[in-house]
Amino acid sequence: GEDVEQSLFLSVREGDSSVINCTYTDSSSTYLYWYKQEPGAGLQLLTYIFSNMDMKQDQRLTVLLNKKDKHLSLRIADTQTGDSAIYFCAENNQAGTALIFGKGTTLSVSS
Amino acid sequence: KAGVTQTPRYLIKTRGQQVTLSCSPISGHRSVSWYQQTPGQGLQFLFEYFSETQRNKGNFPGRFSGRQFSNSRSEMNVSTLELGDSALYLCASSPTGETGELFFGEGSRLTVL
Repeated sequence: GEDVEQSLFLSVREGDSSVINCTYTDSSSTYLYWYKQEPGAGLQLLTYIFSNMDMKQDQRLTVLLNKKDKHLSLRIADTQTGDSAIYFCAENNQAGTALIFGKGTTLSVSS
Repeated sequence: KAGVTQTPRYLIKTRGQQVTLSCSPISGHRSVSWYQQTPGQGLQFLFEYFSETQRNKGNFPGRFSGRQFSNSRSEMNVSTLELGDSALYLCASSPTGETGELFFGEGSRLTVL
């Protein structure tokens, strides 16, 4: 069935780059998404990539998509303490009517 | 533009009771989705409404139900509460529900004792 897998934790130092990885199962997903959740808050859409793209850059964020391996990554350049949060990878379900989320990667940034 | 508003933010219930959660979407958004977030299962889709019609439902028992009103506001109800229903319930709105670009509220945290 549909499934999205992510590593659970990532710890980096301020100023370093962070790379959060995700694998998904549904190759028919048109878009793939990255959401961010700060403590005590709901989810916020960070960025998304169309399935026929390999890369998308948006300021400090770079999304890489390897459709053959069904692998998605989110790179955050010059990571700041304010980037500490949980990051979720998501794809559409097969019906296209809901999002399937990974369990989330907790990013911890130390100064 | 005001964001998605969920009420109440926190509530405590006991087993067997029922609960109703409310969600006001962003003005102009006609699609409202509900997700349950728990530490063990992560984010799981409950249901989605568009123009007062439930278009899609996740794999939850019939104790979980919802509805949407003509002004796009939505409610979800959980009857006969169980301890495992303790979770953060997140509501998300979007203009049409046809993309994964969702705008989430801060959630309603339900604790069942």
